[in-house]
Amino acid sequence: NAGVTQTPKFQVLKTGQSMTLQCAQDMNHEYMSWYRQDPGMGLRLIHYSVGAGITDQGEVPNGYNVSRSTTEDFPLRLLSAAPSQTSVYFCASRYPWGTQYFGPGTRLLVL
Amino acid sequence: GIQVEQSPPDLILQEGANSTLRCNFSDSVNNLQWFHQNPWGQLINLFYIPSGTKQNGRLSATTVATERYSLLYISSSQTTDSGVYFCAVGKGGGADGLTFGKGTHLIIQP
Repeated sequence: NAGVTQTPKFQVLKTGQSMTLQCAQDMNHEYMSWYRQDPGMGLRLIHYSVGAGITDQGEVPNGYNVSRSTTEDFPLRLLSAAPSQTSVYFCASRYPWGTQYFGPGTRLLVL
Repeated sequence: GIQVEQSPPDLILQEGANSTLRCNFSDSVNNLQWFHQNPWGQLINLFYIPSGTKQNGRLSATTVATERYSLLYISSSQTTDSGVYFCAVGKGGGADGLTFGKGTHLIIQP
């Protein structure tokens, strides 16, 4: 199993550009989520999904969109990038009552 | 939302020492997990422990849900134990997000 995969590993954007961070898992987990990690802030939840077609907002959802058309994929869209979105983004998946597994992360720099 | 506090924020130890990391949370939870983030940024799950005690090699964890805290014990520390340790909790019916503490930054010196 590849586990949780994320692409790209690193991305530089200009303010106002849009992009999609990809996340996929091959463990048939119902639950998937996106976090951002900023220095001294721990991980903060952006959006999560409990299954295909079902998504909900986390602690810091503004400026991000998600959709879940399949069990395997959970892309995160930045609509109009801002310097405040410079961060490391982690995707995760689990069964509702199970161990959470993280992807390797995407490092995003917005200029 | 739930508040999660971890202590100490920083810890520097010599190889071979033992340590105890603490996680306090502000509300009842039914999901609690410990993670280790290594110096390369990778996040690894250590324990899924909403209550009780578990052990895995040199690491063990105890959660006392009624008193709203969890402890992570590391014995005979090795340099590879360095990194940041996060506690994360959830209180929904297994279908909510996890709230993370700010972590304990552990440095093990040879």
